[in-house]
Amino acid sequence: AQKVTQAQTEISVVEKEDVTLDCVYETRDTTYYLFWYKQPPSGELVFLIRRNSFDEQNEISGRYSWNFQKSTSSFNFTITASQVVDSAVYFCALLNAGNNRKLIWGLGTSLAVNP
Amino acid sequence: SQTIHQWPATLVQPVGSPLSLECTVEGTSNPNLYWYRQAAGRGLQLLFYSVGIGQISSEVPQNLSASRPQDRQFILSSKKLLLSDSGFYLCASTSGGSFTNTQYFGPGTRLTVL
Repeated sequence: AQKVTQAQTEISVVEKEDVTLDCVYETRDTTYYLFWYKQPPSGELVFLIRRNSFDEQNEISGRYSWNFQKSTSSFNFTITASQVVDSAVYFCALLNAGNNRKLIWGLGTSLAVNP
Repeated sequence: SQTIHQWPATLVQPVGSPLSLECTVEGTSNPNLYWYRQAAGRGLQLLFYSVGIGQISSEVPQNLSASRPQDRQFILSSKKLLLSDSGFYLCASTSGGSFTNTQYFGPGTRLTVL
């Protein structure tokens, strides 16, 4: 079975707090790709990061960081020193390189950063 | 980098009326193109994808159809809209023709069927 679970439906934090968004995936493929997208109130889905299954190095981009752990099938996303502009729905997605090459989406985590 | 255009941005249509949503892509050639629908509650549902001109794969049986008359143009249509067709429609494109390339999204069309 292929599945992406984002257990946190909604998170609310105060500006400058750190926040971690969880993503757990299931797949039988050995080659796959993981993604994070941001959907601000305007609606457009913005690509944030892509990771392939052979690269478990953590990634940092400014205040954003991603922790990919194959042992726990997780690809978590941390925002450091959150800002109001980070308020959005964040989606984690899985793409298998096998026969079913379609994005499998989590249901998203709605993050509200309050001033 | 590629740019994806969608229009109209918003649309209010009566039940039973036809629909045509357009998506065009700039900055890449021979992309894979996708139509998604996002209903209230956030889940993304893949409706159609296309690997080339005239090649359409349908993921969900419904009263919608898709066409790809040009390499970088993807159209979503309906002959008669239903209330359940309301939602946010997103077009996505990959650079080049590989399924494993990253999908980039357009700004979306918000459709309300009354």
